[in-house]
Amino acid sequence: DGGITQSPKYLFRKEGQNVTLSCEQNLNHDAMYWYRQDPGQGLRLIYYSQIVNDFQKGDIAEGYSVSREKKESFPLTVTSAQKNPTAFYLCASAGQGNYGYTFGSGTRLTVV
Amino acid sequence: GQQLNQSPQSMFIQEGEDVSMNCTSSSIFNTWLWYKQDPGEGPVLLIALYKAGELTSNGRLTAQFGITRKDSFLNISASIPSDVGIYFCAGQPPRAGGTSYGKLTFGQGTILTVHP
Repeated sequence: DGGITQSPKYLFRKEGQNVTLSCEQNLNHDAMYWYRQDPGQGLRLIYYSQIVNDFQKGDIAEGYSVSREKKESFPLTVTSAQKNPTAFYLCASAGQGNYGYTFGSGTRLTVV
Repeated sequence: GQQLNQSPQSMFIQEGEDVSMNCTSSSIFNTWLWYKQDPGEGPVLLIALYKAGELTSNGRLTAQFGITRKDSFLNISASIPSDVGIYFCAGQPPRAGGTSYGKLTFGQGTILTVHP
């Protein structure tokens, strides 16, 4: 079955450490997105990529970095520069046409 | 970045009641989408609307693409406990230049609580 997989589901890190969240899709989608969601809040765009080896900052890119070396993969690194990294992170992908995004099941990051 | 105005922000209803929520925008959209997010999961697409005035149903859900292309509503009839979650509207703008993917703009979400 085609889909988008985020791993791990839960992640704990100590303050000051970088951490990388995985996002893989086998939907043959060109575009991929990372969102942050805080409790009871909406979705805020961190980074997005519409083609391999290219990506753009979203609304809250500071303290985050991404890479897009393969069409299937769009990992997100939460760096120590991110002041408040504890949140729920969602990855999404989109193909040609106006069919919206397919979301992963999310990674809950807790920094202690 | 721009966000849609989604209302209400939250709703507390009794099982069996009908629910209505809506989104408005200052910009036009070519596509309106409604997603549901269960607690601790990613949003799942419920309904997609592609034409102004279009009315689409999916079981107990009904959504409409506003005639001005700047608004949409979602109705849920005869709510049940598993309807609990966050509902997001999203709009996809007309394609810019040669790009094939219009980046979605999301509403802030409506948190729905259903009491048995």
